[in-house]
Amino acid sequence: EVQLVESGGGLVQPGGSLRLSCAASGFTFSSYWMHWVRQAPGKGLVWVSRINSDGSTTNYADSVKGRFTISRDNAKKTLYLQMNRLRAEDTAVYYCTRDNSGWGSFDYWGQGTLVTVSS
Amino acid sequence: DIQMTQSPTSLSASVGDRVTITCQASQDISNYLNWYQQRPGKAPKLLIYDASNLETGVPSRFSGSGSGTDFTFTISSLQPEDIATYYCQQYDNLPTFGGGTKVESK
Repeated sequence: EVQLVESGGGLVQPGGSLRLSCAASGFTFSSYWMHWVRQAPGKGLVWVSRINSDGSTTNYADSVKGRFTISRDNAKKTLYLQMNRLRAEDTAVYYCTRDNSGWGSFDYWGQGTLVTVSS
Repeated sequence: DIQMTQSPTSLSASVGDRVTITCQASQDISNYLNWYQQRPGKAPKLLIYDASNLETGVPSRFSGSGSGTDFTFTISSLQPEDIATYYCQQYDNLPTFGGGTKVESK
């Protein structure tokens, strides 16, 4: 059974940092592109970042470029999102997703982890 | 960025009703379009991929059509468990989502 389990969310002050993790199981993690998608409270879904299967290619939404870094450890079957210089508008549930197409088709989602940026 | 305009933003329907949601892309995306269902407090679930293909295990009352810039998602006979928010999403370029359509019970 495919499982994606996020962790690392919490309350952080503006300007602070946080690292999210997503532990994958039930599939060959190293074969898939992976993404982060976020959802602010009461709002819609917003794509954040993606990484290819071997970690050599990454892309970011303009809103997080230069502040967030996506990475992966295929030996540990874990996806990461390092978030620096956090802003109030980064407050959201962050979902880890598996891409079954290599282009951005999300067939499995984690349960999400809440990040709250507030003083 | 490719913008996805979804309509309506919300609708009320009765069990058994036919429900239709539209999604318009700001440029030609061929058939690189997915539809997701998100129930309250839950993660989204992929229903339709490549505009018209039903994901494994998804009931056949759900369907999708369209190509280019105009797409349609249909629930042929609304069931109580279909009360949710539905999102379109393109993946012709960096992924973007529509704003969502909240389907409520009349």
